[in-house]
This record gives sequence, C-alpha cells and structure tokens, in this order.
Amino acid sequence: SQQGEEDPQALSIQEGENATMNCSYKTSINNLQWYRQNSGRGLVHLILIRSNEREKHSGRLRVTLDTSKKSSSLLITASRAADTASYFCAYQGAQKLVFGQGTRLTINP
Amino acid sequence: DAGITQSPRHKVTETGTPVTLRCHQTENHRYMYWYRQDPGHGLRLIHYSYGVKDTDKGEVSDGYSVSRSKTEDFLLTLESATSSQTSVYFCAISESRGASGAYNEQFFGPGTRLTVL
Repeated sequence: SQQGEEDPQALSIQEGENATMNCSYKTSINNLQWYRQNSGRGLVHLILIRSNEREKHSGRLRVTLDTSKKSSSLLITASRAADTASYFCAYQGAQKLVFGQGTRLTINP
Repeated sequence: DAGITQSPRHKVTETGTPVTLRCHQTENHRYMYWYRQDPGHGLRLIHYSYGVKDTDKGEVSDGYSVSRSKTEDFLLTLESATSSQTSVYFCAISESRGASGAYNEQFFGPGTRLTVL
C-alpha cells in the first residue's frame, strides 16, 4: 500500500495545550496537504505545502515538511474544544492524492 | 461549503443487489473522485474522473464502476453489492491541475453511509 503513516493514531490533550501530529510518506511528492474531519462529516482542507517549502502557517496551524526524511508535521497551537476531530495528511503520489490513516485528536475542557 | 451533494445519504441494501450513488457539484470543477472510508484504512480512492466520459481506476476499484456523462454528476455503481462494500463513501472535487502538474486541494461531500446485509 502507498498509504502514508500518521503518528500518533490518537492524541488527547487539555484545552490550551499544543497538539502535534506527524505524517510520513514513501514517494517523492509535489505537495502535501492536511485535512480535518469532524465526526460524521466530510473532510475539510486545512493547508497545502509544496515540496520546495519547509514551513507554512495558517492561523493557529503550522505545518513543516522535510522531504529528505519524507515527513511532515502539523502543529495546532492553543488548542480549543472545537479542534476535536480527525486529522489526515495527503500527499500526491504518481497520479493522485494518497491519504494517511489519520490522527484522532481530542481536546479536553 | 463547496457545492457538493451526495445522494442518498444513507442506504441499507442486501447482498447481490445493484446500488448507485450520486455525486452532484455546482462548482464546474474538472476532477471528481470517489473514496471509501473504513476503520483502520483511512480514505482509499475507488475511481476518479478528469472530465466528461474520462475516468480511471483508483486503489480499490474492483466491484465498482463509474460514469460521468455531465460535468456536474459522477455516479458510482456497485453492480452486485457485497458485505465487504459496507462503508462510508465520499465524493470529492478539485480544480484542474496547476501548471506544475500538482494537484490542488480537494473539496469533499457529506458522505453516504452504505450498509450491505
């Protein structure tokens, strides 16, 4: 399978703390994307980082990309209860996006 | 939300029956995708389309067929449903690829929960 690996599979933290999720992939990529999925809903695009970029910010989100290690991380700062969701990385394989299995993030009040 | 609807939203059917799921978009995006989502497997691509009447297989295409006769509609058909096809099915769309060939972000529909008894 070409699927990416996400780590950890589940993460539970207190509101206000930072959450970090990691993604590893297996092929050379053009870009890597992160998505959020709330329970029972479709995925929502969060951020896209191109292979020639090392870091990107969007609000409380920070994404890094290390193409030499074939890995990416998503940092959510100052977490809120509304951040509770599953987070997926997706990288462009040969012809299409390949999704990881996701990290289930729970923010405790 | 991007203009993507899926129908039906829930369906229960019996093994061996044909099932068709519909994805409809109002964004005029060129690319459309069908995924299935299962615990422990994440999202897996079934089929995708890069234009009217232009489709290709994804990672888990066996047992599924698709059709796209109009830009706005992408149909997924299970010719003879099996219990292994019980899943949540998501449709997604994206604009044309950029000049570098990179894929843009995808916009997802709300999903269809299919149960095959």
